[in-house]
Amino acid sequence: NAGVTQTPKFQVLKTGQSMTLQCAQDMNHNSMYWYRQDPGMGLRLIYYSASEGTTDKGEVPNGYNVSRLNKREFSLRLESAAPSQTSVYFCASSESAKNIQYFGAGTRLSVL
Amino acid sequence: TQLLEQSPQFLSIQEGENLTVYCNSSSVFSSLQWYRQEPGEGPVLLVTVVTGGEVKKLKRLTFQFGDARKDSSLHITAAQPGDTGLYLCAGARSSSYGKLTFGQGTILTVHP
Repeated sequence: NAGVTQTPKFQVLKTGQSMTLQCAQDMNHNSMYWYRQDPGMGLRLIYYSASEGTTDKGEVPNGYNVSRLNKREFSLRLESAAPSQTSVYFCASSESAKNIQYFGAGTRLSVL
Repeated sequence: TQLLEQSPQFLSIQEGENLTVYCNSSSVFSSLQWYRQEPGEGPVLLVTVVTGGEVKKLKRLTFQFGDARKDSSLHITAAQPGDTGLYLCAGARSSSYGKLTFGQGTILTVHP
């Protein structure tokens, strides 16, 4: 009963390095989302994908790119990491825009 | 700009006490969701309220959506240590496909 799986769970990067955060869901959901969570800020939407083949910007997209590889997978890429991108990143999925969002366990990223 | 103001940000109480968490906005939401998040995990949905004035109960938790659908509250009766966690409200607007706006969160600690 995996639900939404995120990898890696922890990552430390140096400023300027790049990396891709992976997310996969096994619930046959159409919509997927990437959020970042910072203390005192709640969760903020970075990018979302309403359906396979489509992506759109959320509230804080700068410095990030996404790929909806197929219906199951939605990856988040940091091309040139900055200390301001130190955060906990959550992936979520839902059957459609009106449905409950199910969250993964998060990726804790530190950029030094 | 934080569209959903959640208060208080921190709450530390003794087992058996009652508490209320508030979620306020100047914007109208088509629905409002409450999540609970434990350390190292992603948020888990507790309830969704969609009708102005709606009240939903989940055991010792009572959720209310304001008549004007701009605010919501979560009331916990006779809190228990197992209620400890981060509580998040999130609003959805019909004009914003699937995108949730989260409050800053309330960190609740219930002491035995």
